[in-house]
Amino acid sequence: SAVISQKPSRDICQRGTSLTIQCQVDSQVTMMFWYRQQPGQSLTLIATANQGSEATYESGFVIDKFPISRPNLTFSTLTVSNMSPEDSSIYLCSVEAGRGETQYFGPGTRLLVL
Amino acid sequence: QKEVEQNSGPLSVPEGAIASLNCTYSDRGSQSFFWYRQYSGKSPELIMFIYSNGDKEDGRFTAQLNKASQYVSLLIRDSQPSDSATYLCAVNPTGTASKLTFGTGTRLQVTL
Repeated sequence: SAVISQKPSRDICQRGTSLTIQCQVDSQVTMMFWYRQQPGQSLTLIATANQGSEATYESGFVIDKFPISRPNLTFSTLTVSNMSPEDSSIYLCSVEAGRGETQYFGPGTRLLVL
Repeated sequence: QKEVEQNSGPLSVPEGAIASLNCTYSDRGSQSFFWYRQYSGKSPELIMFIYSNGDKEDGRFTAQLNKASQYVSLLIRDSQPSDSATYLCAVNPTGTASKLTFGTGTRLQVTL
């Protein structure tokens, strides 16, 4: 497995502002992912963070709204830009580690947009 | 059509009983299947993964996979109140590299 930390753990933000979420892993990993989990819902994949190249976004998510950085094999950031109340959610990073496509999740960032 | 389907529950079982959680998936070519447990306010925690048809046991947990029926289940024996959580089924669909598609989860309540 892998030990994953996220910062901040929670935040309350005003609409129109941006928040950058950090994800740190204790070992080098190839695949890192960013998910959103809206209240009472399951996980929705936002994008795959690729080291050394642009992130790969899922349908419905765009780089202008959710820019992602992946400067090395242990770190990634997700920015939620120009926030609206609809962006209130839990944002989770995950990494692929161990056998196959096994993913482990960070503790999440709880975001409330007012 | 949803790619991964689960009954949202709640599924209520008495302490000590067997809890049976079910999941169906639409992509027949899927190869990897995962069960995660998520306590309220926490992030998902991996319980088990299974790749081959049949049963896979780990302690009180047994995962069962039937690719012909596109069905994967999780059995929890001797259920404890601490097992009360939402259980998420995840599938790696064909041609999606390492991506996982999650079901909506089944909420399990273990009663005293």
